Amino acid sequence: ETGVTQTPRHLVMGMTNKKSLKCEQHLGHNAMYWYKQSAKKPLELMFVYNFKEQTENNSVPSRFSPECPNSSHLFLHLHTLQPEDSALYLCASSQVVGGRPQHFGDGTRLSIL
Amino acid sequence: EDKVVQSPLSLVVHEGDTVTLNCSYEVTNFRSLLWYKQEKKAPTFLFMLTSSGIEKKSGRLSSILDKKELFSILNITATQTGDSAIYLCAVEAGNTPLVFGKGTRLSVIA
Repeated sequence: ETGVTQTPRHLVMGMTNKKSLKCEQHLGHNAMYWYKQSAKKPLELMFVYNFKEQTENNSVPSRFSPECPNSSHLFLHLHTLQPEDSALYLCASSQVVGGRPQHFGDGTRLSIL
Repeated sequence: EDKVVQSPLSLVVHEGDTVTLNCSYEVTNFRSLLWYKQEKKAPTFLFMLTSSGIEKKSGRLSSILDKKELFSILNITATQTGDSAIYLCAVEAGNTPLVFGKGTRLSVIA
């Protein structure tokens, strides 16, 4: 139990579907992150939220839309994804932006058909 | 652009062997270097290094940082099958979030 919970654990969707990934942290942290992990690539930072405000958007396509209603919850809304978007999506949190170490969730394994 | 390079990318050893994983970096305003272990799920924190030459140790795992040569090594002695995982190196620089390397996939066979 890392204190960061992600749902669902696995998701298979077609390119025209709309789905959302959810992340919840029980650590009292103020910063939350979305990372993408593809095979043979480094963890890629997608978005950073600090006190519910987005502080970084790492040139992510608009088919990924984050939402952070409060410091404990983070969503990633998915729409019209491409096969190359299939990956493990990891959520992380830290006390402050850039704080270390970051606590990670178990990830959502996303497969796009 | 900040960069973290890990080597080797993959490694297969037998139980009982000692392994050394490498991480080199090029970043602006280095703050710390972190090692994580990722099995099938979430990466879990192993070590954070901020000062050169001071070894961090936890059981059979140890790590050291060289800020002059810009690298760190992670050593695992008397490896076990449970050590099989991806080992991630990440560097914190300036006020930006962590920059990760591609990881080293370690497989320990009985």
